[in-house]
Amino acid sequence: AQRVTQPEKLLSVFKGAPVELKCNYSYSGSPELFWYVQYSRQRLQLLLRHISRESIKGFTADLNKGETSFHLKKPFAQEEDSAMYYCALSGYNGNKLVFGAGTILRVKS
Amino acid sequence: NAGVTQTPKFQVLKTGQSMTLQCAQDMNHEYMSWYRQDPGMGLRLIHYSVGAGITDQGEVPNGYNVSRSTTEDFPLRLLSAAPSQTSVYFCASSYGAGIVGNEQFFGPGTRLTVL
Repeated sequence: AQRVTQPEKLLSVFKGAPVELKCNYSYSGSPELFWYVQYSRQRLQLLLRHISRESIKGFTADLNKGETSFHLKKPFAQEEDSAMYYCALSGYNGNKLVFGAGTILRVKS
Repeated sequence: NAGVTQTPKFQVLKTGQSMTLQCAQDMNHEYMSWYRQDPGMGLRLIHYSVGAGITDQGEVPNGYNVSRSTTEDFPLRLLSAAPSQTSVYFCASSYGAGIVGNEQFFGPGTRLTVL
């Protein structure tokens, strides 16, 4: 069975501080991992996917198969990063996504 | 190009009433899905479709029906609304299967309250 765990409901940091949003997963096959973000009054949208190994808006995430984790990191938080962040997992084709419970990130000035 | 559209934006129902949440996409996506978003539980998959005429159940299908007669539309029907179905419903679409790292595009959501 696929499962995604985001242990923090709320993460509050000061502007300029480092950010790490935790995500752990359980999946028997080879997972595809994603981070989706929902800004206030906006649609849920893809932030990044592990297959692309990209950095979006300064965020990066590394898939650690040994620890079954896909933590989202940013070295210096900005106020506009405040949003709800969801970690998600799928099988090989990215369709049947399983989401974590989400973490609210609040960046304080 | 409107992307994924959903109607209505808000709806209040009484227990036992039925209704249909509409979802349409204009990106010629094969895959469409419905999720419900509840506090502390993230998004949970209700039903999905890999193409016109093909649907399947997700994680929480009870109380909901879907059909996919066209590529563009994927309506979600509540047969007899219950307070437990109070939630925010999201429709999403993506390209067909077999694409690694496939991005899903989400609609704006429908906020449903069942009294």
